[in-house]
Amino acid sequence: GNSVTQMEGPVTLSEEAFLTINCTYTATGYPSLFWYVQYPGEGLQLLLKATKADDKGSNKGFEATYRKETTSFHLEKGSVQVSDSAVYFCALRDRAGTALIFGKGTTLSVSS
Amino acid sequence: SQTIHQWPATLVQPVGSPLSLECTVEGTSNPNLYWYRQAAGRGLQLLFYSVGIGQISSEVPQNLSASRPQDRQFILSSKKLLLSDSGFYLCAWSARSGNTIYFGEGSWLTVV
Repeated sequence: GNSVTQMEGPVTLSEEAFLTINCTYTATGYPSLFWYVQYPGEGLQLLLKATKADDKGSNKGFEATYRKETTSFHLEKGSVQVSDSAVYFCALRDRAGTALIFGKGTTLSVSS
Repeated sequence: SQTIHQWPATLVQPVGSPLSLECTVEGTSNPNLYWYRQAAGRGLQLLFYSVGIGQISSEVPQNLSASRPQDRQFILSSKKLLLSDSGFYLCAWSARSGNTIYFGEGSWLTVV
C-alpha cells in the first residue's frame, strides 16, 4: 500500500541555518505530494504541494521538488527563523477523492 | 472563499461519557469531508471520510462514529468515551475533484 516515511526528529537548528527534512514515499501511479506545517496548539496548514514529477512547490522560503526517480519530496529552506519552529508533515494523495496519507511528522526547533 | 470550522476547541470529558464534535464547511458545495486523530507522540490517523450526505467510510474500527446530516456538516460521536480516545481531532475538507485537503483548527479532547 501507499506510505510516507519522514526523517526522525527532533531537528534542532540555530537561526539562519539551512534546513532539510527528508521525505520518501511508496505509491502506485503518480500521487500528489504535500508538506503541511503544524504550529504549537494549532491545526495543520498546507505549506506547499507538487502534483507531478519534477514540479517544485514553494512557499514562505520553503521548497520541495517531486523526484519520481528517487520517490522523494525533501523539504528545504535556506535560512530558518525562530518562527519556523513547528511540526512538519509530509503527505501523499494518490487521486482526488481519497484521503491523505501522512508521515509521522518531524519536529523542528529553531533557536536564536 | 472557503472556510472550515470545528468545535468545541477544547473538551475534558470523563470516561464513559458521550462525545460530539462538529465541523462545518462554508463557501463550497459537495465537499469530501474527513476526520483525523492525532494522539500524543503519534502521527495523523484517518478515522472517517465522507463523499456525500449519509455516506461514511470508516478506516479504523473503534468506539467512534461519524455522521453527515447535511452537505457541509460532519459530526464525530461516541456513546462512551475511553481513556485512549484522548487526542487532537482534526476535521478536513477537499473539493470533489480537487487534490488539496484543508484542515480545521482542531479540537483537543482529554478523557479523564
